Amino acid sequence: QKEVEQNSGPLSVPEGAIASLNCTYSDRVSQSFFWYRQYSGKSPELIMSIYSNGDKEDGRFTAQLNKASQYVSLLIRDSQPSDSATYLCAVKGLGMITDKLIFGTGTRLQVFP
Amino acid sequence: EPEVTQTPSHQVTQMGQEVILRCVPISNHLYFYWYRQILGQKVEFLVSFYNNEISEKSEIFDDQFSVERPDGSNFTLKIRSTKLEDSAMYFCASGTSGVGGTDTQYFGPGTRLTVL
Repeated sequence: QKEVEQNSGPLSVPEGAIASLNCTYSDRVSQSFFWYRQYSGKSPELIMSIYSNGDKEDGRFTAQLNKASQYVSLLIRDSQPSDSATYLCAVKGLGMITDKLIFGTGTRLQVFP
Repeated sequence: EPEVTQTPSHQVTQMGQEVILRCVPISNHLYFYWYRQILGQKVEFLVSFYNNEISEKSEIFDDQFSVERPDGSNFTLKIRSTKLEDSAMYFCASGTSGVGGTDTQYFGPGTRLTVL
């Protein structure tokens, strides 16, 4: 069974701090990794995708991938109260024709003023 | 910016009734998906659809479920005889690439299904 593991949190950080969210995955052949943000009662919204080892930066967000350790992380710099949400790590599995997304349970982030 | 749309936003039904959840994927996308999320739980894959047929389905997607693309724009999920445990948010997603592709899946706003 392919798994994606995340700490459920909550992770509480003060406004302006760096929030660090982590994810591990079990399927070594996974190639594509995604971070989605989900506000309560809403659908997942894509923040970042990463496919190669190393760091990928987009504004205040940095995704980090280490395929050897099967580890993905998301850093949020200068955290804002509006960043308070659940962050879902998703890994693209391998189906016969289409690639399904396998999600972790999500980490709830709370940014307090 | 193009987006996936879903209707209705909330569906309440009696146990044993049939429901149809509707989705309009992004127009140039070829791969379509349904996921569900039971309250407080993870997002789970149900089914993927390409070239007018099911590509993959999970063990959740039993004989009570079916999908259809009745025309060039809509993509539907039918639950034939709803059970209490079918109560969940159902998300439609679409994308442009399949196996090995790096394309992202874009999610619709979801339909909240409540089975009484």
